[in-house]
Amino acid sequence: RKEVEQDPGPFNVPEGATVAFNCTYSNSASQSFFWYRQDCRKEPKLLMSVYSSGNEDGRFTAQLNRASQYISLLIRDSKLSDSATYLCVATRNSGYALNFGKGTSLLVTP
Amino acid sequence: NAGVTQTPKFRVLKTGQSMTLLCAQDMNHEYMYWYRQDPGMGLRLIHYSVGEGTTAKGEVPDGYNVSRLKKQNFLLGLESAAPSQTSVYFCASSSDRGSGPQHFGDGTRLSIL
Repeated sequence: RKEVEQDPGPFNVPEGATVAFNCTYSNSASQSFFWYRQDCRKEPKLLMSVYSSGNEDGRFTAQLNRASQYISLLIRDSKLSDSATYLCVATRNSGYALNFGKGTSLLVTP
Repeated sequence: NAGVTQTPKFRVLKTGQSMTLLCAQDMNHEYMYWYRQDPGMGLRLIHYSVGEGTTAKGEVPDGYNVSRLKKQNFLLGLESAAPSQTSVYFCASSSDRGSGPQHFGDGTRLSIL
């Protein structure tokens, strides 16, 4: 079983729509969680950290459910520029590195 | 603000050739990582370092060696390149004990014929 699993998509949504991604992680000892964004053929870039109480950054809201071991990302009022692959990330067993999911592809259309 | 810099950006090698990929960071980060990314496989950790002079294996270390002689540099070596090593290689660094966010370089696209 992969340590971090995501639905690869693609999610095709119109501009202005709200879209949500979920991912599950297998390591119950993971302490830190993140969402990264990766544009085609570019490096991953940190979108936001995910905190136990949930957190929001503008149009983006991240939630963590430790009991069920899943993380979610909600994007409101989607923009064309939100089109990218979103990577779900959790810390590894060793604590010295991160596990990256394979990513969920989002395409926002006019 | 250079952040994490990878050189070269692109390279084509023949099977059996050797080469070294260089990663340099100017953020005084302790932790550095090498990943490879292949279509449908996501990011896979090759090797990582928790400080100057230390290295450790990740999930796909075979065929690669690394060195961290200076805190700011992390080198990835391919001693005898194989077509299976054709990939995009990303270096990343982190200031926290692996549990903090990682900052990525813009990648090296390596093709082995």
